[in-house]
Amino acid sequence: SYVLTQPPSLSVAPGQTARVTCGGNNVGGKVVHWYQQRPGQAPVLVVFDDNDRPAGISERFSGSNSGNTAILTISRAEAGDEADYYCQVWDSSSDHPVFGGGTKLTVL
Amino acid sequence: QVRLVESGGDVVRPGRSLRLSCAASGLTFSRYTMHWVRQAPGKGLDWVAVIAYDENKKFYANSVKGRFTISRDNSKNTVYLQMNSLGPEDTAVYYCATGKYQLLLAAPLDVWGKGTSVTVAS
Repeated sequence: SYVLTQPPSLSVAPGQTARVTCGGNNVGGKVVHWYQQRPGQAPVLVVFDDNDRPAGISERFSGSNSGNTAILTISRAEAGDEADYYCQVWDSSSDHPVFGGGTKLTVL
Repeated sequence: QVRLVESGGDVVRPGRSLRLSCAASGLTFSRYTMHWVRQAPGKGLDWVAVIAYDENKKFYANSVKGRFTISRDNSKNTVYLQMNSLGPEDTAVYYCATGKYQLLLAAPLDVWGKGTSVTVAS
């Protein structure tokens, strides 16, 4: 089945830009969604359909998707952005969602 | 505001069964796809099962196929996960989640419950 690959961890200084990558075979031909999961909490959808934001999500969160890599960009990183981030696509060959392994973002 | 509340999690012995429930409010439940996603301690998200809005399509992760059954009761705004032949590998927090778009199976997972904990241990 389809595989999404994310780096396990990423560090960024406050105020800088974090880019969380999600690799997959021709992932640019699929629609990618991103979820944020803070410690002890349920996941929250932060970007859907490659680059749309749900209501209430900061405009600092944006997405892009091309070729073999999708990217979640978090501008002007804040301490509150520390969380695990997961990318997700729909695998049409098996009719189910596939999640990446997750990236733990540290802001320090 | 859409709200999902899971229940039914427990500590059970290997080989036993458990049924999880997820009660939904704040949406026209009968028009939305519903998912179960689990997360083992310290691990990532692991999709478990999905059921279409009208129950005519159900799909499962290979790891649970033949052991777990997803169902829904649109009159009660509730989705269920019947889990049989449980093993230690099924220990996780189980979340239900709803698709973002009405009727569409492949919608992003828009709203998540807080989860219910399942521990399988002897």
